[in-house]
Amino acid sequence: KNEVEQSPQNLTAQEGEFITINCSYSVGISALHWLQQHPGGGIVSLFMLSSGKKKHGRLIATINIQEKHSSLHITASHPRDSAVYICAVRLVGGNEKLTFGTGTRLTIIP
Amino acid sequence: DGGITQSPKYLFRKEGQNVTLSCEQNLNHDAMYWYRQDPGQGLRLIYYSQIVNDFQKGDIAEGYSVSREKKESFPLTVTSAQKNPTAFYLCASSTIPRDRARYTFGSGTRLTVV
Repeated sequence: KNEVEQSPQNLTAQEGEFITINCSYSVGISALHWLQQHPGGGIVSLFMLSSGKKKHGRLIATINIQEKHSSLHITASHPRDSAVYICAVRLVGGNEKLTFGTGTRLTIIP
Repeated sequence: DGGITQSPKYLFRKEGQNVTLSCEQNLNHDAMYWYRQDPGQGLRLIYYSQIVNDFQKGDIAEGYSVSREKKESFPLTVTSAQKNPTAFYLCASSTIPRDRARYTFGSGTRLTVV
């Protein structure tokens, strides 16, 4: 079993829909990252969370440390949001390296 | 603008040849990383370095080598000993201290070995 699990693996939605992507982890972490990977392959860091909730534009990320769970929400989704969204965690007591989920492929249809 | 530059974007090599992937950053980050991405799998750590002239093996270091002679540069060599080198390779860097480490990723190099 992977230490970081994401769901769903694939998600297709209509433009304007509210999107939720989930990430569960089975280990103690010091931080959780949400990343976005576009078709060309480059990755952009969206959020780093250690507790609570963060918002940036139409993106909202939440984390529940007790339940070992995080969600990424996209409001008013747009075709340009189509990408792979990746959850990654930094383990407690670990070094700087991250452990990654396998990603959620999001497709927004106009 | 600060960032990470990986080159080339696409690379083709014949089986049995060593190949070196370039990674340069101008963010003044202390730590640098190499990850490998295969379809259906999460990124896996190959090597990382937290300081010049020092680096550590990650989870899948066999068949790879790195150097860190300058803070800005962390080249990865895929050797002929790597059994399945065809993959997408991502370089990243981060700040330290750990609890506030910010990561920046490059745009990747897709290596195809034929």
